[in-house]
Amino acid sequence: KAGVTQTPRYLIKTRGQQVTLSCSPISGHRSVSWYQQTPGQGLQFLFEYFSETQRNKGNFPGRFSGRQFSNSRSEMNVSTLELGDSALYLCASSLVGGREINEQFFGPGTRLTVL
Amino acid sequence: GENVEQHPSTLSVQEGDSAVIKCTYSDSASNYFPWYKQELGKRPQLIIDIRSNVGEKKDQRIAVTLNKTAKHFSLHITETQPEDSAVYFCAASRGSTLGRLYFGRGTQLTVWP
Repeated sequence: KAGVTQTPRYLIKTRGQQVTLSCSPISGHRSVSWYQQTPGQGLQFLFEYFSETQRNKGNFPGRFSGRQFSNSRSEMNVSTLELGDSALYLCASSLVGGREINEQFFGPGTRLTVL
Repeated sequence: GENVEQHPSTLSVQEGDSAVIKCTYSDSASNYFPWYKQELGKRPQLIIDIRSNVGEKKDQRIAVTLNKTAKHFSLHITETQPEDSAVYFCAASRGSTLGRLYFGRGTQLTVWP
């Protein structure tokens, strides 16, 4: 099976712009989680989508949003970019059955630089 | 919410020695504990995980132990090799927030030949 893919791999934006990142999960996986990774804060949870519904949300401002499509692909959007949004954005997919916690597999990430 | 503490932040060992990384968690409802390895410029890769109904799990040179009473879990790497050099992250998850992992801050492991 192909792994989790993310596009684009690198992005350079300026303050005030907005950006959309895409994540394609492993075939058959229905849950997609997003994380922000920075040297200062480590890996921080943004949100998780399952069956096109946001099921969990981390402590990020409303400028960070996401969605999931019927094919389980997910996008996240950041509006009004700030310098502090520069980070590696990782998505992870999980099989997810009923109440069972399944392993999460990460994509390669999108490196966002805000100038 | 859950809080995961990881120690040490850096660890240097000689090739062939063992390495141990320890994590503690705060939420007694957490029941799934994965470990990820992240090499420079690459994605985090799941290397081993343990669920709360198990006390220890091994996979070749890697083992994880879990003490639910003390709320801590550890990663043990034996016979370390230079290719084990990477950042290792522990994480915790609980059933009420499926799909959300709470990560430790990571341990930079360096194995010297």
